[in-house]
Amino acid sequence: DTGVSQNPRHKITKRGQNVTFRCDPISEHNRLYWYRQTLGQGPEFLTYFQNEAQLEKSRLLSDRFSAERPKGSFSTLEIQRTEQGDSAMYLCASSRTQETQYFGPGTRLLVL
Amino acid sequence: GENVEQHPSTLSVQEGDSAVIKCTYSDSASNYFPWYKQELGKRPQLIIDIRSNVGEKKDQRIAVTLNKTAKHFSLHITETQPEDSAVYFCAASRLGAQKLVFGQGTRLTINP
Repeated sequence: DTGVSQNPRHKITKRGQNVTFRCDPISEHNRLYWYRQTLGQGPEFLTYFQNEAQLEKSRLLSDRFSAERPKGSFSTLEIQRTEQGDSAMYLCASSRTQETQYFGPGTRLLVL
Repeated sequence: GENVEQHPSTLSVQEGDSAVIKCTYSDSASNYFPWYKQELGKRPQLIIDIRSNVGEKKDQRIAVTLNKTAKHFSLHITETQPEDSAVYFCAASRLGAQKLVFGQGTRLTINP
């Protein structure tokens, strides 16, 4: 499968714990995006990387959230001290150009 | 910032009939408008997109129209089939901005 992949697909954690998600983009894509999607809503932009540089962050990305893309390939999204409001689907997307974004299957997070 | 409104939130049509979903955007600088289809538990998949330099684009049974003056764009699906049942999202972005701003989604149900 040459599409965007994300791991894990599902994560259940207790409030206050830290979680980390991984995204592997399509290999020739240098742009990588993270979105969050809650039930019944469209995806909301969180952050954007071009190669290893994080160039844009949403105000939705509180200081408990951190994202990295250390070698310009895969990316990780970490949430520290999780809260119940963090429960959502976390989607990763990648693109070769500024426009067409291809999404991964997402990581569904449930915070108890 | 950009705001995208999508209507209707739910749409039910008879198999073989046409379906139309409409979106309006607020940022007149937006110039790229993709549509995504998301089946239950699956990733959003790009089905068609349009750039602001054209008014209409077709791909088999799917078409998108754009009215820049009125700042709205629409998805048209003709000869609907049961496999068209899904949630459809419109989105907008502008040159220089990396993020897609999504509408709230339309749940389309095709009745046999």
